[in-house]
Amino acid sequence: AQSVTQPDIHITVSEGASLELRCNYSYGATPYLFWYVQSPGQGLQLLLKYFSGDTLVQGIKGFEAEFKRSQSSFNLRKPSVHWSDAAEYFCAVGANQGGKLIFGQGTELSVKP
Amino acid sequence: DTGVSQNPRHKITKRGQNVTFRCDPISEHNRLYWYRQTLGQGPEFLTYFQNEAQLEKSRLLSDRFSAERPKGSFSTLEIQRTEQGDSAMYLCASSLSAGFDEQFFGPGTRLTVL
Repeated sequence: AQSVTQPDIHITVSEGASLELRCNYSYGATPYLFWYVQSPGQGLQLLLKYFSGDTLVQGIKGFEAEFKRSQSSFNLRKPSVHWSDAAEYFCAVGANQGGKLIFGQGTELSVKP
Repeated sequence: DTGVSQNPRHKITKRGQNVTFRCDPISEHNRLYWYRQTLGQGPEFLTYFQNEAQLEKSRLLSDRFSAERPKGSFSTLEIQRTEQGDSAMYLCASSLSAGFDEQFFGPGTRLTVL
């Protein structure tokens, strides 16, 4: 069965520091992978997605993610975090051609001044 | 178009009551999804529609849950005989077509069952 694991429930980084959020997936075939961000009172917003091709994908707000098939990982990175990046981040895998998404439990990011 | 809208944003009900939520997708989006999110967890898939056809239902969707999308536009999710375990955020998303087009999420309806 498909699944997504985000090992870190909560991460705190200083403003201006780099960020890496971990995501591991379990899926039999080539996965469709996504990162979403959820701010309080806001809907989930897509940051980036990987379907195929270049394993380093660029997203909005300066985020990028790297797909590593050998490690079943799709980690999200940002070189310099801003206070406005504080939010909940969800990694997801597309389960089948129907478009259904399976989400990890999320990582809450706090940003210290 | 201002995105996916959901109503109401909050609903408090007593156990045993029926509740209905509405989702208005982005116009021209053929796919509509319902997810449920409990505190500290990621969203869990409930069901999805391609136009007016309901194509898949999660086993999370017990007999007390029913979803419709008449005419392939807005959708409703009804929960009958609510239980305290139904307390959650109910999220709706829509996408343009089949496959993995970006899903645009609404703000959700927060249900509290007393």
